[in-house]
Amino acid sequence: DAGITQSPRYKITETGRQVTLMCHQTWSHSYMFWYRQDLGHGLRLIYYSAAADITDKGEVPDGYVVSRSKTENFPLTLESATRSQTSVYFCASSESRTSGRPQETQYFGPGTRLLVL
Amino acid sequence: ILNVEQSPQSLHVQEGDSTNFTCSFPSSNFYALHWYRWETAKSPEALFVMTLNGDEKKKGRISATLNTKEGYSYLYIKGSQPEDSATYLCAPRGRRALTFGSGTRLQVQP
Repeated sequence: DAGITQSPRYKITETGRQVTLMCHQTWSHSYMFWYRQDLGHGLRLIYYSAAADITDKGEVPDGYVVSRSKTENFPLTLESATRSQTSVYFCASSESRTSGRPQETQYFGPGTRLLVL
Repeated sequence: ILNVEQSPQSLHVQEGDSTNFTCSFPSSNFYALHWYRWETAKSPEALFVMTLNGDEKKKGRISATLNTKEGYSYLYIKGSQPEDSATYLCAPRGRRALTFGSGTRLQVQP
């Protein structure tokens, strides 16, 4: 029972490079989310997706791109990495087979620690 | 995006102490209130989801109450144990998504 996984777990890159963080879930959950963890801000939502081919911006989407061609995968791409994107990135999913019920629990992946030099 | 405040930011207690934290959020455009527990080097895990004014949830020594009219929730831990050491996040659900507070970091000394 793999649940929700993220890869890589750790990544060091340089300013200006493109980086893709992967997220995979085995539950067939409809909703998937990307958060970044920043000191003093807690978890901030970058993008989310209600289903395959449906994505929407969160609180801090600038500099990021997402796609969802398959229900189980939700990659996050930093098109041109900047030092301010150094953070820990968490992917999450929730069941919500109908239009997102507000009481649906989110299940988090283990996180990807990204360092942009 | 909802403005969520949690207090205190951090808390140090002795084993056996009871403690409580506060989560404040705008009472309008509110659909549910989630509490998560986040241990160091792990992922956040759901504790409670609350939707009704006056709702109260309990899991072992941890309980939570919700006041939707005034926009706050309390999390209580009775008889804290070292394994309760973690950051406790609250997250009200607005129209589209959860907005997480910055959390209360609890350390329980044996």
